[in-house]
Amino acid sequence: DAGITQSPRHKVTETGTPVTLRCHQTENHRYMYWYRQDPGHGLRLIHYSYGVKDTDKGEVSDGYSVSRSKTEDFLLTLESATSSQTSVYFCAIDGPTSQETQYFGPGTRLLVL
Amino acid sequence: DAKTTQPPSMDCAEGRAANLPCNHSTISGNEYVYWYRQIHSQGPQYIIHGLKNNETNEMASLIITEDRKSSTLILPHATLRDTAVYYCIVRVVAGANSKLTFGKGITLSVRP
Repeated sequence: DAGITQSPRHKVTETGTPVTLRCHQTENHRYMYWYRQDPGHGLRLIHYSYGVKDTDKGEVSDGYSVSRSKTEDFLLTLESATSSQTSVYFCAIDGPTSQETQYFGPGTRLLVL
Repeated sequence: DAKTTQPPSMDCAEGRAANLPCNHSTISGNEYVYWYRQIHSQGPQYIIHGLKNNETNEMASLIITEDRKSSTLILPHATLRDTAVYYCIVRVVAGANSKLTFGKGITLSVRP
């Protein structure tokens, strides 16, 4: 699926601990996105990136930070995880042209106890 | 991005056509209609998109009304593996603001 991997795929952590999720692409595409999915809410955008070191907030960015030091990697960090951040996290990339769709990774299931 | 409305669920018999409706009455002239689906907590999967002409690919057909206020996704011969949540999304493609806004989608259940 469009060369997108996410790691880890599953994680259990405790409240207050830092957590970093990684999205890696092999497509050299410019745009990358982080979404979270919760029951009853569908997918909601957390942050996105439009190039190396260029990022912007989505609709649910509080409590999250991101970094993109290389085209292929987009990191999502929970500085101090809370139980409300228990969710499934999906990374996505845009295609190479303006009409191209977004391709999604397999997701990371995060449980914050 | 304009919002879309979809019924919460529908079902169809295996082998029959599944017609999934979507209303997007406030769509702008530069917004495309995209369809995605999500099978049991996997990542969303792109199906098809269009601007104003009908589109067809190996997965589905997309019929957009002439006024562009609604569209229908057609799965011509639904199988059990097509059971999923289907999302209709409108999106401005050009520029930095190319985010997808997902609603709750429609749950399609294909019965044997």
